[in-house]
Amino acid sequence: DTEVTQTPKHLVMGMTNKKSLKCEQHMGHRAMYWYKQKAKKPPELMFVYSYEKLSINESVPSRFSPECPNSSLLNLHLHALQPEDSALYLCASSQDGGLDTEAFFGQGTRLTVV
Amino acid sequence: AQKVTQAQTEISVVEKEDVTLDCVYETRDTTYYLFWYKQPPSGELVFLIRRNSFDEQNEISGRYSWNFQKSTSSFNFTITASQVVDSAVYFCALSVAPRGSGGYNKLIFGAGTRLAVHP
Repeated sequence: DTEVTQTPKHLVMGMTNKKSLKCEQHMGHRAMYWYKQKAKKPPELMFVYSYEKLSINESVPSRFSPECPNSSLLNLHLHALQPEDSALYLCASSQDGGLDTEAFFGQGTRLTVV
Repeated sequence: AQKVTQAQTEISVVEKEDVTLDCVYETRDTTYYLFWYKQPPSGELVFLIRRNSFDEQNEISGRYSWNFQKSTSSFNFTITASQVVDSAVYFCALSVAPRGSGGYNKLIFGAGTRLAVHP
């Protein structure tokens, strides 16, 4: 199983809503990532979890709150988002987060904030 | 500064043409890794190749080949006899370990090149 599964695939939410994005992998990978990708732009890293601990937070606003309940699951809790937060949110995992390890990406959640 | 530049925004070719996607990178690190990913319309990024800074051998995988030249800081990707299924956005990326990350990496992506292969 070389899949990273993200749910939901599409999400429309209002600025006052609270929602969560979910990501799951069963490859035994110990590093998991959230990337944000605006239209026609490259992905930009938001967070890295390694061995279930937050290793990198790229100065992401607190309205985005990551959570890693166990080594297979990664969540991104959303609260009070702005329309400019509309983007494709990609989850990825890698063997151990080292420089040389390739990341496996999910298909993403297309988020629209209205 | 650590940076990846893909100067070609969009390339359009007819099926069976060869096409080369350019990638130029900047880093002060002596050990680094470069990657190419493909992003089809479905959204997920698909890993194509990894290259470390000490290995300058070119690589060929089927219709795909990569040319890594440290002297020019380039890692170019060629598709031979392109097919419609090659239509996608292709990203070149540099793997870096930010200060304070404990050695865990992040990918710095170039802007991407959108390849359209027409029948």
